[in-house]
Amino acid sequence: DAGVTQSPTHLIKTRGQQVTLRCSPKSGHDTVSWYQQALGQGPQFIFQYYEEEERQRGNFPDRFSGHQFPNYSSELNVNALLLGDSALYLCASSSLAVAGGDEQFFGPGTRLTVL
Amino acid sequence: QKEVEQNSGPLSVPEGAIASLNCTYSDRVSQSFFWYRQYSGKSPELIMSIYSNGDKEDGRFTAQLNKASQYVSLLIRDSQPSDSATYLCAVNLVSANQAGTALIFGKGTTLSVSS
Repeated sequence: DAGVTQSPTHLIKTRGQQVTLRCSPKSGHDTVSWYQQALGQGPQFIFQYYEEEERQRGNFPDRFSGHQFPNYSSELNVNALLLGDSALYLCASSSLAVAGGDEQFFGPGTRLTVL
Repeated sequence: QKEVEQNSGPLSVPEGAIASLNCTYSDRVSQSFFWYRQYSGKSPELIMSIYSNGDKEDGRFTAQLNKASQYVSLLIRDSQPSDSATYLCAVNLVSANQAGTALIFGKGTTLSVSS
C-alpha cells in the first residue's frame, strides 16, 4: 500500500522565481492538504483540495495556488518567491468522503530553499 | 485566530520513565485531536487520534482529552531512546461552510529520553 509521495525532495530557487511541488495521496484517499513548516515551528495550513476544488484556505497570500487532478494528485505553485518562503512543504492526504476520515497522513515533504 | 499551545521543552526523561506531553487549544467547537511524532529532518507521523473525552490507549501511548478544559495530553509509558523526537499536537478546524478541514498545530514539544 503506497503512502503519500511528494516530488521533488529538495529544491533550490532564487528570489522572484516560481516553483511547482507535486503530491500523490495515499491509496484510497481523495483529499489533499498542503502545509508549510518553518524551522522550529509546527506545520501551517496552506489549503485543502477535494473534488478538484479548494475547500479551505489558510492565511497565505495569493502567490500560493494549487490544483487537484482527477486522479486526486495535487500541485502547489508558489510565484514570486521570497526568502521567507524557504521551508519544508508538506502534503497530507485524507478522505473527506468517508465518515471519520479526517486523519491526515503526511508525505516526506519537499525542502525548498530560496536564495 | 485559533491557537494550539504546547510547551516547547525540551522535556528530558530517563529510559523507562513516563513522559507526559500537554496541549491546550482555543477553539471550543473542535471535535478531532491528533498527536504526531516528528523526528529531526523527517515529516510528521500520526501516532494517536482522539475524539471523545477520556483516555485512549494504544500500546505504550495514552491520549487524554478534556473538552471542558480544552486540554489534550499524551502519555508515553516505558520511554525509550527511540522516542526522542518532537511531538506535535494538532486540532481539526472545520471551515464555516463545512466544506473543508484544516489541522492547526502547536509548535511541538521536544522529548529527549536518556539511556
